[in-house]
Amino acid sequence: DTAVSQTPKYLVTQMGNDKSIKCEQNLGHDTMYWYKQDSKKFLKIMFSYNNKELIINETVPNRFSPKSPDKAHLNLHINSLELGDSAVYFCASSPYRGSTEAFFGQGTRLTVV
Amino acid sequence: SQKIEQNSEALNIQEGKTATLTCNYTNYSPAYLQWYRQDPGRGPVFLLLIRENEKEKRKERLKVTFDTTLKQSLFHITASQPADSATYLCALDMTTDSWGKLQFGAGTQVVVTP
Repeated sequence: DTAVSQTPKYLVTQMGNDKSIKCEQNLGHDTMYWYKQDSKKFLKIMFSYNNKELIINETVPNRFSPKSPDKAHLNLHINSLELGDSAVYFCASSPYRGSTEAFFGQGTRLTVV
Repeated sequence: SQKIEQNSEALNIQEGKTATLTCNYTNYSPAYLQWYRQDPGRGPVFLLLIRENEKEKRKERLKVTFDTTLKQSLFHITASQPADSATYLCALDMTTDSWGKLQFGAGTQVVVTP
């Protein structure tokens, strides 16, 4: 019944590794997002896809690559992980492009050691 | 870019009282402003949205006001309960072409004591 689900919930990995976070929404929404919440609790948008099309791409290192195989899924792949990538990553969805509220997943806490 | 300021200090309030949170922004007025609730270890949950042409919005014990002259939104929790304890985030829509690109404040923690 979970509307927006992310896996894994926790991810601990060493510097230099490549990892992926998966996100799925069962709400039938067209738009999905990745947000990063750092240690100071600021939520910052990273990417947004609308019907598998990239529509928002903030200033994010190109080590971060989102992939949307279909409109219900938006995965985030991170190459060559760095200490500064440690944060909580949230996936979210909205009914349509430019719609109001966002529905968030429970987050993935990434710790790079 | 837009700067969003919320009270960084936790708001401690007694059960039954009204909690009032502030969200100030610096630049252009957004098309709409949203308030979210975030519990520890969870994702934000949408509470209310108010548009630039609306002065006030209510939902059960929650009330939001939006003053584009002051560049400020106030979020009120009336008859507060311990279950209202959480961090409350305000979010502004940053774009003029309705892409849904939200910019969030850092949030204000509310602690309601019995």
